[in-house]
Formats: sequence, C-alpha cells, structure tokens
Amino acid sequence: GAGVSQSPSNKVTEKGKDVELRCDPISGHTALYWYRQSLGQGLEFLIYFQGNSAPDKSGLPSDRFSAERTGGSVSTLTIQRTQQEDSAVYLCASSYWTGGTGELFFGEGSRLTVL
Amino acid sequence: AQSVTQPDIHITVSEGASLELRCNYSYGATPYLFWYVQSPGQGLQLLLKYFSGDTLVQGIKGFEAEFKRSQSSFNLRKPSVHWSDAAEYFCAVGAGDDKIIFGKGTRLHILP
Repeated sequence: GAGVSQSPSNKVTEKGKDVELRCDPISGHTALYWYRQSLGQGLEFLIYFQGNSAPDKSGLPSDRFSAERTGGSVSTLTIQRTQQEDSAVYLCASSYWTGGTGELFFGEGSRLTVL
Repeated sequence: AQSVTQPDIHITVSEGASLELRCNYSYGATPYLFWYVQSPGQGLQLLLKYFSGDTLVQGIKGFEAEFKRSQSSFNLRKPSVHWSDAAEYFCAVGAGDDKIIFGKGTRLHILP
C-alpha cells in the first residue's frame, strides 16, 4: 500500500478482555516497530521486528503483551486481559533500512480505551 | 542501551522568533539521530536525520540540527518560527544493529 495501515483506528474494550491490533507496513519494508504513546510519556518502544524475527522485545510492558509478524509483512500486537493502564495510542512504523538506521514511516495509530 | 532526553516538556515562542529544542542522547558508539514532528491530529513525520559527515544537517520546513559529540547533543533549530510550527517534536536515536528509541517530546506553542 501507499503507507503504513493500522486497524482498528479506535478500540473501546472492557477491562479483562483481549484485543488485537494490526499493522500492515509499506511493501518491501523489512523493519517494523511498535510504540505506545501516552500523554506525557512520549513514544515508548515496545518491540522491533527484522523480517519475521524480533531481535528486541525488551519494551513489552508485561507478559500480557505479545506480537508476531508473518510473511515479513503484517504484524499483530495482542494485549491479553487488558487493564485501564493499557489505554493509549499504539503506533506502528516500518522502515526499508535494517536496524535503527533509517527513516521510520508511521501509521495513524490505534487508539485503545480500556473501560 | 541507548537513551534520549528532551529536557523541555513545553516551549513557548513568539511567531517570528528563533527556536532551539534540546536533545541529549546516550549511546556508546556513533549514533543515528533523528528529529520527528507530530502536528495536531497528524502522524509523525521525519524532519531531519544525522548519520555521519557534516555535523550541521538541514531538514524540511526550514529546520536544522547540529550534532555535538562532545556534548552528546543534537539540538533542533529554526531561525524564525511560523504559527504552523506548533506541534510536538521528538528526538530519536538509533544504531546499526539496534532499535530506534524516542524522547518524551517537546510541545511547541507559538504566540501570535
């Protein structure tokens, strides 16, 4: 596609439910990142994929969070047993360049609200 | 592991005045440095980046940044701000085989 596509754009869920957030990167981009943006917290790194493998999962806040990437393309971020503190905008970005060397192209984000 | 500090959460300047947004980083080797802007209701856009070479880099929208290794800084500057520059600005650092991490951002307010 022309840009990074994220879905859903908005998600309201009840505490304790599981949610899945999807990211469709720019075609041909090998690197894919997930970040979380909360008020006053900037962009919090969650996980980074190079192809289908995740060299760095250090940013995942707890074992309730997981992510996968298949076919070197689409990625899904799953949050199990959601908590109110999970409410945030989840941003996906992709890059043609490997590692942390190149421009990131961001999606519009998925806004998650946990009631 | 790398880290990024943006000391100013909010900055207010008058339209037409000069601007400097501060960014300090921590990384053991030569970093890749970036500035991104997030305008209200819009996604993040790259303003400029530094990899090597000339330590003063030019970006889009009239912005520039200077890499100072001795101070571990990469401050963003603009000679004369416009009302449309009101936004949140993020400094980021990456590495050849590592992730890109961002600072907490500086929100720029412009007075008419």
